[in-house]
Amino acid sequence: DGGITQSPKYLFRKEGQNVTLSCEQNLNHDAMYWYRQDPGQGLRLIYYSQIVNDFQKGDIAEGYSVSREKKESFPLTVTSAQKNPTAFYLCASLKGPEAFFGQGTRLTVV
Amino acid sequence: RKEVEQDPGPFNVPEGATVAFNCTYSNSASQSFFWYRQDCRKEPKLLMSVYSSGNEDGRFTAQLNRASQYISLLIRDSKLSDSATYLCVAPGGPNSGYALNFGKGTSLLVTP
Repeated sequence: DGGITQSPKYLFRKEGQNVTLSCEQNLNHDAMYWYRQDPGQGLRLIYYSQIVNDFQKGDIAEGYSVSREKKESFPLTVTSAQKNPTAFYLCASLKGPEAFFGQGTRLTVV
Repeated sequence: RKEVEQDPGPFNVPEGATVAFNCTYSNSASQSFFWYRQDCRKEPKLLMSVYSSGNEDGRFTAQLNRASQYISLLIRDSKLSDSATYLCVAPGGPNSGYALNFGKGTSLLVTP
C-alpha cells in the first residue's frame, strides 16, 4: 500500500547531539512537509519541499535542516541549535488539497 | 491573527449527544477547508472536506459560511469512539508551498 513511513517512532537525544528523522513516501507526491506538534498545540510548519533539490523554510525552521535529494525522501535533522526539540514530529505529503501523514516520530531530549 | 482559530475545549458530552465545534479562518481567498481527526499520540487523519456551503457524511456535518469566514463540524449521536481531537484546517498559499494551516484542535471526550 502507498503511504508515508517515518522512522524511528521514538527517538531520544542527548543535549548537544544532532539527530535525523527519516521520512519516506511511495505516493509519488512532489510536495512534502515537516511539522512539529507540542502538547495542546496545533501543527507548526518547519520546512517544506515542492520538488526534488529544492526546499524552503517554514514558520519555525531555526535549529532544523532538511534535504531533498530524492522524490521519495525528505529527512529532517534536528541540530544542537534547536534549544527545545522535545516534540512530536510529523512528515506529510500533499496531493491537491489533501495531506497524507506518516505515523510521526516522538523526540525526547534526555 | 492566526490563520485558523478554534475553541480548544475540552468538550465532555454523554453518548448520544450532539456536539458542534467552531472554527474561524483569516484568509478570505481560501476555497476549501478540512476537518482532521487526531487520536492521542497518533497522526491526524482526514475526516471531512468542505468545498462549498457544506458536506454531510453519516453522523458528521461540516458547514462553511464564507461571509463570516466560519466553519463548523456537527457530530450527531456521539459514540465513545468519537473521543479525539478535531483539527480545523485551511490551505496555505504559494508563500508556504501550499502547506495546510492547522488550528490547535478541539478536544472531545464522549462519556458512557
